[in-house]
Amino acid sequence: DAGVIQSPRHEVTEMGQEVTLRCKPISGHDYLFWYRQTMMRGLELLIYFNNNVPIDDSGMPEDRFSAKMPNASFSTLKIQPSEPRDSAVYFCASTFSALNTEAFFGQGTRLTVV
Amino acid sequence: GDSVTQMEGPVTLSEEAFLTINCTYTATGYPSLFWYVQYPGEGLQLLLKATKADDKGSNKGFEATYRKETTSFHLEKGSVQVSDSAVYFCALTGANSKLTFGKGITLSVRP
Repeated sequence: DAGVIQSPRHEVTEMGQEVTLRCKPISGHDYLFWYRQTMMRGLELLIYFNNNVPIDDSGMPEDRFSAKMPNASFSTLKIQPSEPRDSAVYFCASTFSALNTEAFFGQGTRLTVV
Repeated sequence: GDSVTQMEGPVTLSEEAFLTINCTYTATGYPSLFWYVQYPGEGLQLLLKATKADDKGSNKGFEATYRKETTSFHLEKGSVQVSDSAVYFCALTGANSKLTFGKGITLSVRP
């Protein structure tokens, strides 16, 4: 397996534009996590899914953020409208039965909103 | 809710020095505990884990022991190398399978 695949690797957009980040988890994994990493706040959990169903979205900062998982092999994180303070690295991770197994991370999407 | 607290950084050490990075946690039930490492420009990768009290996780010379009485999982290495320079994250998964991380700490090892 190629691991967790995120796209794009880098995204530069203007304030107010819609941004969509994509993630393909490892085949067979039933948990998928979205994180945001900044210098100030470290690694924040935004939302996670189990078997394509959102379990906890309490970390989603505002209504401007939304996430979907239409099937077991694909998830999106959308920001609409984007703001400069959304600039961060966004990571997706997947795992099988998360309690005591390793989570595998993608390489992240570096988002810059100007 | 679950939380992980790591010592403040960054940490700078000379090669072959002893390393300790403190980590404490708050969780209901019996969480599993992890240390992840992030090298520049990459995603996080698992360094070691422990799934029950008194378990010791180890990998690449790093060790951490699950201490339920002190709710701690401190990371140690007897002799660090320049190649250990990275960001280290302590994490836990609780009963709801939520994977929660500490803020991370940057380690720099100088020759």
